[in-house]
Order: sequence, then C-alpha cells, then structure tokens
Amino acid sequence: KAGVTQTPRYLIKTRGQQVTLSCSPISGHRSVSWYQQTPGQGLQFLFEYFSETQRNKGNFPGRFSGRQFSNSRSEMNVSTLELGDSALYLCASSRDRLGGYEQYFGPGTRLTVT
Amino acid sequence: AQKVTQAQTEISVVEKEDVTLDCVYETRDTTYYLFWYKQPPSGELVFLIRRNSFDEQNEISGRYSWNFQKSTSSFNFTITASQVVDSAVYFCALSEESYGQNFVFGPGTRLSVLP
Repeated sequence: KAGVTQTPRYLIKTRGQQVTLSCSPISGHRSVSWYQQTPGQGLQFLFEYFSETQRNKGNFPGRFSGRQFSNSRSEMNVSTLELGDSALYLCASSRDRLGGYEQYFGPGTRLTVT
Repeated sequence: AQKVTQAQTEISVVEKEDVTLDCVYETRDTTYYLFWYKQPPSGELVFLIRRNSFDEQNEISGRYSWNFQKSTSSFNFTITASQVVDSAVYFCALSEESYGQNFVFGPGTRLSVLP
C-alpha cells in the first residue's frame, strides 16, 4: 500500500507570494490533517479535512487555507507569504476523523521564504 | 487544555544501553489517546504506538516498551539495547475524543545513539 505523498518536496518562494502544497492520502483514508513544523514552535496543527469539509482548525491566520477533493486528496494554500512561514509542512492521513485513529505522515514539503 | 510535555530535549547513549523517554500529558477529557512517533533524519514521522485512556496495560514490541500510568499522567517509552538506527527525534502526542484528529504534539526528544 502506498504511503502518504506530498508534492513538491522543496519550495523556495519570495515574501508576498502565495504557494499551494498538495497531499495524497493513503488509499482508503478519508481524513487529512496538515501540520507546520519549525525549530522554534515544533509541530503545530493547521487544519483537518474529512469528506471535503474542514472539521478542525488550529490557531493560524486566515492566510493559511486548504481544501479536500472528492478523492480525499488535499491541498493547502498560503497567501502573502512571510519569512516566518518558512517551515516543514507535513500532511497526515487517517482512516477516520475520530481521535483514536492514528495518523500516517508524508515526507513533508520544505518551504523556504526569502 | 491539552498539553504534552517532554522534558528531555536531548539524550545521548552508547549503543546497547537502555534509554527511557519521558512524556507527561494534560487533558480534561476522560476519553483520550496517546501516541509515540519517530522522526529519523529523513524527516518523515513514523507511527510507533497508540494507547487509549481506558487501557493502562503496558506494551512491549521487540526492543520497545511503553509504560502508561494515568495516576501520573505519563506515557513513557523505553528502548532496550539501543542501536545506532534508533537515533531520531521522538514525539509523544495526544488526541482527545472531542477534538478528533487535532493531535497535540510534545516538543520532542532528540536521541543520539553512539557506536
């Protein structure tokens, strides 16, 4: 069974630009969550999508948004990039949206904002 | 509020030593789940174990073992006879029934196993 895939793996963007990251979950998984990982803040929850609807949202500004498609694939968008958005963005998929289901993570997209 | 604390920022051991990684959590929910993940240098988080709040039985999987104690809100992870391949950052995480897939991660413990 293929794991969670994320594209692109690396991105370099300029401050003020916008970026879209993509995530394909494990086949059969319907919940997709996104996390931001930085050395200073650690792993922080961004949002979770299930059945094309955002179910949970972390404490991030509205510049961070996402969506999920009918095949469970998800995209995350960051508009008006700031230097502080430089991070590893991790996508995780799970069979269901209940808290007891473990998440399986992709390799991440490393975003550098200059 | 949910919170996960991993007091050990970095640990170094010599190969074949046993090592215990500590995890302390805070939650108001009676139904919650605890997880351990491993993040090797490649960056991808690898799921190791899940425990629910109603199951305090300790678990052993090969060289890995986990000790869950609700009385002290701890979920500690022990690696027996450590190996160089165990070098990674280890994260403890908490999810609550009421918050679904919103996992709260601890800050992680960087384990270095020296040959």
